[in-house]
Amino acid sequence: AAGVIQSPRHLIKEKRETATLKCYPIPRHDTVYWYQQGPGQDPQFLISFYEKMQSDKGSIPDRFSAQQFSDYHSELNMSSLELGDSALYFCASSFQPNEQFFGPGTRLTVL
Amino acid sequence: RKEVEQDPGPFNVPEGATVAFNCTYSNSASQSFFWYRQDCRKEPKLLMSVYSSGNEDGRFTAQLNRASQYISLLIRDSKLSDSATYLCVVNGNTGNQFYFGTGTSLTVIP
Repeated sequence: AAGVIQSPRHLIKEKRETATLKCYPIPRHDTVYWYQQGPGQDPQFLISFYEKMQSDKGSIPDRFSAQQFSDYHSELNMSSLELGDSALYFCASSFQPNEQFFGPGTRLTVL
Repeated sequence: RKEVEQDPGPFNVPEGATVAFNCTYSNSASQSFFWYRQDCRKEPKLLMSVYSSGNEDGRFTAQLNRASQYISLLIRDSKLSDSATYLCVVNGNTGNQFYFGTGTSLTVIP
């Protein structure tokens, strides 16, 4: 069965650079969530979208923005990267707010 | 106070043992509850949803206690492959925000 696709899988950036992470949800899923997981920590909810509209916002820094497009894929844009942004970024999708299925994650390293 | 709290463990149990994890949540309005497992450096994988009446899936049983605001996961006949971190997930005031517990680490020993 098709799963959530995230790209890139690994990304290395320098401080103050920008990064864009992409997420392709499971077909027919209309809800996308973004999470940030630091080393040894639990996933922290950043933001979610339902039917291409932002539906909830968590601990997402102002330097980050995200959107969901007409084909339901989502992008997380990160600017002015800081060392502390180094983490695993997961995208999850669901059909309406429900059981979430996670992608493999993007490992971002900021040098 | 965190929205969701779990005992981080670690739990080290022999094969065949029964082990139980609890997770407490602070928002009495929460309606959706899940258990996920996460292997090292991998994505969380849905283990099971938790329903009001409790539910069972093979060796796994999940229960919800709304009065005390906790959910539990019972694993019977532990297998080596059960070794992982178990995360409880609860939704917030709105349906689309979900909170993770810090995870409970389980190691099943031969």
